[in-house]
Parts: sequence; C-alpha cells; structure tokens
Amino acid sequence: ETGVTQTPRHLVMGMTNKKSLKCEQHLGHNAMYWYKQSAKKPLELMFVYSLEERVENNSVPSRFSPECPNSSHLFLHLHTLQPEDSALYLCASSLSLGNVVGNTIYFGEGSWLTVV
Amino acid sequence: AQKVTQAQTEISVVEKEDVTLDCVYETRDTTYYLFWYKQPPSGELVFLIRRNSFDEQNEISGRYSWNFQKSTSSFNFTITASQVVDSAVYFCALSETNTGNQFYFGTGTSLTVIP
Repeated sequence: ETGVTQTPRHLVMGMTNKKSLKCEQHLGHNAMYWYKQSAKKPLELMFVYSLEERVENNSVPSRFSPECPNSSHLFLHLHTLQPEDSALYLCASSLSLGNVVGNTIYFGEGSWLTVV
Repeated sequence: AQKVTQAQTEISVVEKEDVTLDCVYETRDTTYYLFWYKQPPSGELVFLIRRNSFDEQNEISGRYSWNFQKSTSSFNFTITASQVVDSAVYFCALSETNTGNQFYFGTGTSLTVIP
C-alpha cells in the first residue's frame, strides 16, 4: 500500500478536453512533485511545491496547470494537450525540500495519460 | 552534464543468476544522498534504499546488496539469485546539499529475468 495515491490510474482524453489528475499523500510530507515519464526518456521534473507554494517550474507548457490547495493534495489540470503529451505522470512527496536527514522522495503509482 | 549515469540500458539474465546494476554519480558536495528505486510494469517507483555520503558500509537486504564507493563515485546494486519478480526498471538517484529542490535521477536500467 502506497502512501501516495493518484487518480485516475488511466486517462484517455481528446486534444480539446479538460481533465485533471489528482494526487493525495498520507505521509505528513510538506513537499510534493509532478514528474513526467515518456517512453524511452528520463524522468522529467515538472513542478515542485513546498508548503503549498510552487518553488520550481521547469519550463512546462501552460497547457499543464498545477494546483496545491494544501500540503496533502496536488492536482495537475490538463487542457488542449497534444499527442506527444501522452506519458506516465508521477506524483511524489517528500518530508521537505532539500538534503536533510531522512529526506526521501516517495512516488505514487502514476497516471497513464493518452491524448488522442 | 548528467549527474547520475546508468550506462546499462537493458539487461537480461536467466533466473537464479546474479546481476549487478551500475550507477555512477557526479557531485561537488561532501554531503549528499544516493537512492535506488524499482519501477515494475505497473508504474510506481518503489523506494529501495537511501545511503548518505558519510556511510560507505555496504548494505545487504535479503537478496539485494549495495556497494557504495566514493573513490569511484559509484553506488552499484546487486541482486543475488534473481527471480522473475525482479523484472523491472531500476533507477538510481542523487540529492545534494546545494541544489535542495531536486532529486537527480538516472535514465534507468531495464532488467528482464528470464524463467
């Protein structure tokens, strides 16, 4: 059983749709992350939140819009996506940001997104 | 420059063979952490181990063992007597003191254990 839960696990959407990915962590962590994993490519960090404030945005297109209403929940709002956005989207959390003792990043099961 | 290098893209072994997954990292920090994660076909990255830069003792957990060598900047992972359930993609990662926002991941090694 994972401490980080993502829904939906699978999503198929058209290029004109609007959908959202949801992530919830039950670990009492203060930092949350969105990663993108495309086939045959390295993990790409998309967004980082610490205590509900965005601290990193790695040049992600505006068709991806994150939202962190509290330290336990993280959303990724999707609109007018392209087929090349099809990928596995992984949510993760850690106790805090930074290289502190015991800080480890834990991942959810991922949301498989297909854009048609 | 890649901070974490996993040179082995894909490895296939026959069940019960031992296999070592290589990880080489690059950092100027004296304090850093190294990690290994397992990603089965379901998608979730499962945390396996965290090692800090001041602890060079090798660690063994069941069939898994890790060899940390600062002299060669390597943190290799060995699976003894591999099983089909070990088939997955394995990621090595690094977190540093001076770039606190990020965990740097390698590109992963896909391990297939053939029955």
